Amino acid sequence: RKEVEQDPGPFNVPEGATVAFNCTYSNSASQSFFWYRQDCRKEPKLLMSVYSSGNEDGRFTAQLNRASQYISLLIRDSKLSDSATYLCVGNTGYQKVTFGTGTKLQVIP
Amino acid sequence: NAGVTQTPKFRVLKTGQSMTLLCAQDMNHEYMYWYRQDPGMGLRLIHYSVGEGTTAKGEVPDGYNVSRLKKQNFLLGLESAAPSQTSVYFCASSYSGPLYGYTFGSGTRLTVV
Repeated sequence: RKEVEQDPGPFNVPEGATVAFNCTYSNSASQSFFWYRQDCRKEPKLLMSVYSSGNEDGRFTAQLNRASQYISLLIRDSKLSDSATYLCVGNTGYQKVTFGTGTKLQVIP
Repeated sequence: NAGVTQTPKFRVLKTGQSMTLLCAQDMNHEYMYWYRQDPGMGLRLIHYSVGEGTTAKGEVPDGYNVSRLKKQNFLLGLESAAPSQTSVYFCASSYSGPLYGYTFGSGTRLTVV
């Protein structure tokens, strides 16, 4: 089982829709999680941190479910500009993080 | 505010050639990293540094060397390039380690023929 696993998608959603991605992790001791956004042929950029019970930033909500060992990213009122690949990252050891392979989102007009 | 700057942005090498990728950051970050990104593989850590003069191996260090002579610079060297090293290389920096999030450079697209 991969340390951090994501559905590659693509998720094709209409503008204004709500979409959610999940990311599963295998190490039950993992404490810190992040979501990064990566536009096509660009570098990843930190979107949100997910430390305990999750957090919210505008239209974006990140949740952590320790019992089932997954984190989620919810995007409300999707915009065309949200089209990107979303990378899940989890700490998998001391000062060590592992990136998921990413979930591609395409928001359609 | 430049952040993390990588040079070059693109390069084509012949098998067996050598090259150095340069990463420079102006944020006074202690930690610096080199990752490679391949389709379907996610970002994989090559080498990293926790401060000036220090380096350590990551997940996929074979075929690469690094140096951190100055705090702001982290160099990645390929001594004898192989087609398997065709990839997109990203440098990243962090103030206190990966659990505080990374700032990435814009990447270097390397093709080895």
